[in-house]
Amino acid sequence: QKEVEQNSGPLSVPEGAIASLNCTYSDRGSQSFFWYRQYSGKSPELIMFIYSNGDKEDGRFTAQLNKASQYVSLLIRDSQPSDSATYLCAVHSGGGADGLTFGKGTHLIIQP
Amino acid sequence: SQTIHQWPATLVQPVGSPLSLECTVEGTSNPNLYWYRQAAGRGLQLLFYSVGIGQISSEVPQNLSASRPQDRQFILSSKKLLLSDSGFYLCAWKGIGNTIYFGEGSWLTVV
Repeated sequence: QKEVEQNSGPLSVPEGAIASLNCTYSDRGSQSFFWYRQYSGKSPELIMFIYSNGDKEDGRFTAQLNKASQYVSLLIRDSQPSDSATYLCAVHSGGGADGLTFGKGTHLIIQP
Repeated sequence: SQTIHQWPATLVQPVGSPLSLECTVEGTSNPNLYWYRQAAGRGLQLLFYSVGIGQISSEVPQNLSASRPQDRQFILSSKKLLLSDSGFYLCAWKGIGNTIYFGEGSWLTVV
């Protein structure tokens, strides 16, 4: 059974600080890793993906991957109130047609 | 650019009634399509996926079914809804690099 684990939160971060979101996965054969943002009552939207060990930066967002530790993280710099949402970690373990396995998400609150 | 639409956006159905949710994708051909469900406290669960017309794979046993009558159309159905079928249903397609893109979602409340 493939599993993706996230702390459900809520994680409260003051505006302007760095928000750090973490995720672990059980399938060592996992190949692709994704972060989605989901506002209350809306569908998830893709923020970033990462395939290789190390860091990947996109604007205020940085994804970090450590395959040896089976660990993925998302850093949000200069956090804004509009970043308040649930962040979903997702993993693809190969095989082509099957979809992503999602964590239950971390609820992030940015305090003005 | 690719877009995905699903409807209806919300519906309230009595137990035992039928269900039909529809999804269409534009701007791409022969996409892999998916139905996910998000229930309270359970996260996103993959229900069905399809790699082509008439080809459906089910990830979990349930009283739901899916069909793909056309290349860019994906339908989720049930003959008799259960209370446990309530949730947020999301249609999605797979883009480059296994990236999944979601439609707007359909909120189903079974009463």
